[in-house]
This record gives sequence, C-alpha cells and structure tokens, in this order.
Amino acid sequence: DAGVIQSPRHEVTEMGQEVTLRCKPISGHDYLFWYRQTMMRGLELLIYFNNNVPIDDSGMPEDRFSAKMPNASFSTLKIQPSEPRDSAVYFCASSSQGYEQYFGPGTRLTVT
Amino acid sequence: AQSVTQPDIHITVSEGASLELRCNYSYGATPYLFWYVQSPGQGLQLLLKYFSGDTLVQGIKGFEAEFKRSQSSFNLRKPSVHWSDAAEYFCAVSGGATNKLIFGTGTLLAVQP
Repeated sequence: DAGVIQSPRHEVTEMGQEVTLRCKPISGHDYLFWYRQTMMRGLELLIYFNNNVPIDDSGMPEDRFSAKMPNASFSTLKIQPSEPRDSAVYFCASSSQGYEQYFGPGTRLTVT
Repeated sequence: AQSVTQPDIHITVSEGASLELRCNYSYGATPYLFWYVQSPGQGLQLLLKYFSGDTLVQGIKGFEAEFKRSQSSFNLRKPSVHWSDAAEYFCAVSGGATNKLIFGTGTLLAVQP
C-alpha cells in the first residue's frame, strides 16, 4: 500500500489567500483525521471523519477552516482567508478502526 | 481529563547505550496506548501499540514498551540505541467512546557517537 498521501508537501502563500490541502487515506480505512503541528502547541486534532461524515470538529480553530470528505478516498482541508498564524505542518491520518492511526508525510504551510 | 505526560523534553544518549523514554497518562477507562516516532521533516510512524493482554509489547526497530496500570505508565525502551534512532518520540492514548488520539508533547532524542 502507498500509505496516506498528502499534497502539496510544501505550500507558501500570502496572507488572505485561500489554501487547500489534500489527503488520500489508505484504501479500506474508514476513519480520517486532520492534525496541525506547531512548536508552540504541538500536535492538535482539528477534525475527524468516519465513513466520510464529520464526527468531531471541535478542534477546528476558526470559521476560516473547513474540511470535507466527498468520498472514501479523498479529503480536503481549506483555509480561507489564510493568516500568518496558520503556518504549521498539517498532517492527515487514517485508520480502519479509529484507534491505530497511520500518518501521511504532512504539508508544511507557510503564510507570509 | 485525558492527558499524556512525557516529562523529558530532550534526552541525549550514546550510541550503543540503553534507552528508556517515559510516558504517563491520565485516562478514565482502559486506555489504548501508542508510541510514534517522527524523524525531521517526516510524518509520524507507529512504533508499537497496546490494546490489551501481555503488558510488554514489542514494536518495530527493536523497541518495546511496558504497560503498568498501577503507575499509569507506558515507557518505551530499547537495549542498544543506533544513531538512526535520533528523532522525536510521541506517546499517545485513546479509547472508549472517542477515537481521538491524545498526544504527549514529545521527547527529542539525540544520539552521540
């Protein structure tokens, strides 16, 4: 299996621009998680889906953040408008049972 | 509240020496416990997991961890560290009605030649 795939690996954008991060989970996995990692706050769970349905989005920091999972093999995390404090590494992870999660390589986002 | 504590932010060991990374958790129900490793610029890789049964679990890369319920601990060990083990290590807990992973703050391991 190719593992969890994330794109792009690096994203540099200007403040105010829309950013879309993409994730393809491991085939057959029914849970998908979005995390954010920063030096100050460590790893934070933003949102997770089960069978394409959002279950818990309490970690989404603001209305500027939104996530979708239109099908079992694709999810997006969108930030609109982006701000410098959104600079972080964003990870996607998937799981077949909700407990043992497998992480993608991450997207490093820099907002200038 | 559910939490994970990794008391050591940074540890340096010599290559070939033994290693123990500490992890304490607070969880109301029977926990599911994990150790992940993150190399620079990489994602998190699952080293090992504990769900139930034998309290000593073996993982990849020669790592093992022991679940001690009485001490609420799940320490990670390796008998002989290799230079390639230099990375950041995260302990995490999950279980019960939620599928969320609660991560510790991580321990950064440096390996001296």
